[in-house]
Amino acid sequence: VMTQSPATLSVSPGERATLSCRASQSVSSDLAWYQQKPGQAPRLLIYGASTRATGIPARFSGSGSGTEFTLTISSLQSEDFAVYYCQQYNNWPPWTFGQGTKVEIK
Amino acid sequence: EVQLVESGGGSVQPGGSLRLSCAASGFTFSSYWMNWVRQAPGKGLEWVANINQNGGEKYYVDSVKGRFTISRDNAKNSVFLQVNSLRAEDTAVYYCSRDHTAPGIIFDSWGQGTLVTVSS
Repeated sequence: VMTQSPATLSVSPGERATLSCRASQSVSSDLAWYQQKPGQAPRLLIYGASTRATGIPARFSGSGSGTEFTLTISSLQSEDFAVYYCQQYNNWPPWTFGQGTKVEIK
Repeated sequence: EVQLVESGGGSVQPGGSLRLSCAASGFTFSSYWMNWVRQAPGKGLEWVANINQNGGEKYYVDSVKGRFTISRDNAKNSVFLQVNSLRAEDTAVYYCSRDHTAPGIIFDSWGQGTLVTVSS
């Protein structure tokens, strides 16, 4: 089970956002992060816990291993307000997502 | 450019069936695992099923086993999801997703989704 916190994060543009994802058992570094905006499909941001996907800006960074993971957005831009999901791919099937963290404008 | 285009969704009564399709382009389709991921209205993401490159390996989430069947046609660059015995809880947007080249099932590219509504 993947658990994300907080459910909602209120942040001002230009500020730092820190999102957490906890796994109920170790997933090593087999952890991905996705961004989803309203009415759009999700977009892969990070895989391998810390590797940015192609075209993802450097303000997005991932860290962690085992059961505790963090997605950090260093300076929030207007286009970053969205819902973020973590997903583990170590213990499968099934491949499981967290319930999501909504990043909203403060 | 990778493109995934889903079709086949619609409104059906409980117990009904649909066949969802995903047409792929912009990459060597036969080299990738393919996945279906769904999202109920206002809810999070749920992996549903996936299939390996030659169709010989398939996995399903427990809630759809025995009701859904994933398949692919590499000659037509398409992946399918046959959904039978539909229930209200199957109502969702169904996304087709390509696996990443990195080890493990990572949902690299996504289609725009097709909506399945199960209601009497």
